[in-house]
Amino acid sequence: DVKVTQSSRYLVKRTGEKVFLECVQDMDHENMFWYRQDPGLGLRLIYFSYDVKMKEKGDIPEGYSVSREKKERFSLILESASTNQTSMYLCASRLVNEQFFGPGTRLTVL
Amino acid sequence: KNEVEQSPQNLTAQEGEFITINCSYSVGISALHWLQQHPGGGIVSLFMLSSGKKKHGRLIATINIQEKHSSLHITASHPRDSAVYICAVLMYSGGGADGLTFGKGTHLIIQP
Repeated sequence: DVKVTQSSRYLVKRTGEKVFLECVQDMDHENMFWYRQDPGLGLRLIYFSYDVKMKEKGDIPEGYSVSREKKERFSLILESASTNQTSMYLCASRLVNEQFFGPGTRLTVL
Repeated sequence: KNEVEQSPQNLTAQEGEFITINCSYSVGISALHWLQQHPGGGIVSLFMLSSGKKKHGRLIATINIQEKHSSLHITASHPRDSAVYICAVLMYSGGGADGLTFGKGTHLIIQP
């Protein structure tokens, strides 16, 4: 069974902290994605990666960076968390046209 | 730029009713996804379509490529179907590494 896991379901951090959100897929997919989901705005692409050590900016990369050192793991990094980064973060991986989503991490920045 | 429009934005219905949610998009696509998200939950992929029709239990998804339109139907709706339903399209692209374009979602409530 296809599986995309995220390190935390809920996370609370303080303004200015460095935050790591981890995503792991067990399907050997090359393409992985990070989205954030906000009421009224829907899902928006932050970054994606099409191979190990490769990354591309999505629609809203400001304030974020990513790391893909191994094929199965794609990390989203908030260098200095701010309150406007409070959101639901969703990781996904893709094989050809089929997208698989993780359960999401609800991040609150105080 | 591809726009994805869903309708209705909100829908409240009684248990047992037949439900239809619509999705329209503006440019050629290689695939369309219907996604489900329960309150506070993650996203589950219900269907991936590139043509025709798919059925899974009480859920049916159709797509008309020429009209750039897809519908998600729920037969004999049940309160557990209450969720946000999101349409997402994958544009034609050689590399396949682009992200999806998402609709804003349809918030469905099924009352007992």
